[in-house]
Amino acid sequence: GDSVTQMEGPVTLSEEAFLTINCTYTATGYPSLFWYVQYPGEGLQLLLKATKADDKGSNKGFEATYRKETTSFHLEKGSVQVSDSAVYFCALTPGYALNFGKGTSLLVTP
Amino acid sequence: EAGVTQFPSHSVIEKGQTVTLRCDPISGHDNLYWYRRVMGKEIKFLLHFVKESKQDESGMPNNRFLAERTGGTYSTLKVQPAELEDSGVYFCASSRFDTGEQYFGPGTRLTVT
Repeated sequence: GDSVTQMEGPVTLSEEAFLTINCTYTATGYPSLFWYVQYPGEGLQLLLKATKADDKGSNKGFEATYRKETTSFHLEKGSVQVSDSAVYFCALTPGYALNFGKGTSLLVTP
Repeated sequence: EAGVTQFPSHSVIEKGQTVTLRCDPISGHDNLYWYRRVMGKEIKFLLHFVKESKQDESGMPNNRFLAERTGGTYSTLKVQPAELEDSGVYFCASSRFDTGEQYFGPGTRLTVT
């Protein structure tokens, strides 16, 4: 079945550092890809998405490109802030049910 | 616009007891989903409602779990009797369309002792 694998955390970075969280997927069709973020005490929020190959999703300085050839959707941000500390989930869906990765905890220190 | 709300935020029960979780979706969202995250594992899809009808319950783990959405508004997820492996965080989400963005609630943390 369809699945998502993302890098294990926790990831600890200093403020203004470059962030990459790796995500690869396995799917039989052409799924849509997502990054969700969960801030402490809150629900999951959609961060960005891409619906077809070579699409780039972007939001709040985060970016991810749908790479069909490498089946990847890595999350990047050029300069992280303390407020970016959260758990990040990569997900895919062929239709409506989301398949999530295990989540990557990010801690950004001042 | 109020977001998706879930109640309770945390529940601790003993093995064999019954627990009912509630989810109130965003007003006007016909689609409602339940997901579960067991410790250390992925968030897994449980089921999908469109209005009051179950469209897909392929992710429900077994018949100890019963989900309802009477009237097509709020939904409940009952676990009876609860087992230790049912411990985890139960998320509810809603969307206007079945392929639309899903808005998640904060989750209910269930601990079965």
